[in-house]
Amino acid sequence: QQQVKQSPQSLIVQKGGISIINCAYENTAFDYFPWYQQFPGKGPALLIAIRPDVSEKKEGRFTISFNKSAKQFSLHIMDSQPGDSATYFCAASKDNFNKFYFGSGTKLNVKP
Amino acid sequence: DTGVSQDPRHKITKRGQNVTFRCDPISEHNRLYWYRQTLGQGPEFLTYFQNEAQLEKSRLLSDRFSAERPKGSFSTLEIQRTEQGDSAMYLCAITSGGANEQFFGPGTRLTVL
Repeated sequence: QQQVKQSPQSLIVQKGGISIINCAYENTAFDYFPWYQQFPGKGPALLIAIRPDVSEKKEGRFTISFNKSAKQFSLHIMDSQPGDSATYFCAASKDNFNKFYFGSGTKLNVKP
Repeated sequence: DTGVSQDPRHKITKRGQNVTFRCDPISEHNRLYWYRQTLGQGPEFLTYFQNEAQLEKSRLLSDRFSAERPKGSFSTLEIQRTEQGDSAMYLCAITSGGANEQFFGPGTRLTVL
């Protein structure tokens, strides 16, 4: 059973547009929700993360929105650039330093 | 640079052969994790260490897989009698200090022919 469900599987956005990727989880014990960016042939790189005590976190062009009651969280990429074209993964974990459960990934293509 | 190196970056082997991968954090980190990522999927947890102790193993880690972290620094992951289904990217990750963030190495891509 997949612990974290991610959508869409792929996304095409025009340069300057907003990219939105969604994730949903079932386990209410999860208390840490990171987003990773991965380029082909590379390891995932941490982008931004949130804990359930806040509803939104923003770092530069990246924003996480978190809805605890709906058990959903999303990544918004503002002013999307061709260099943002990559695969994005959401993840969740419970307790500190514990293993991550990853979503299945979203392949983002930002058209120039 | 995440402070994690992995070796080799690519490995091609024939079915039935044994392979060993290595993960080297640049500095000492308490926790070290191994994940497996198949094409088009997110990473899946395999096992993790706190210092030298292996604290958890996934059901994905069959008895053909063994991982070690002998001195609490680098770690090795060995796969015996490889099967075509073992073809994947094997990722190592570390936590830094008191934070929960996991930082991944570049991975080792294994192809079993």
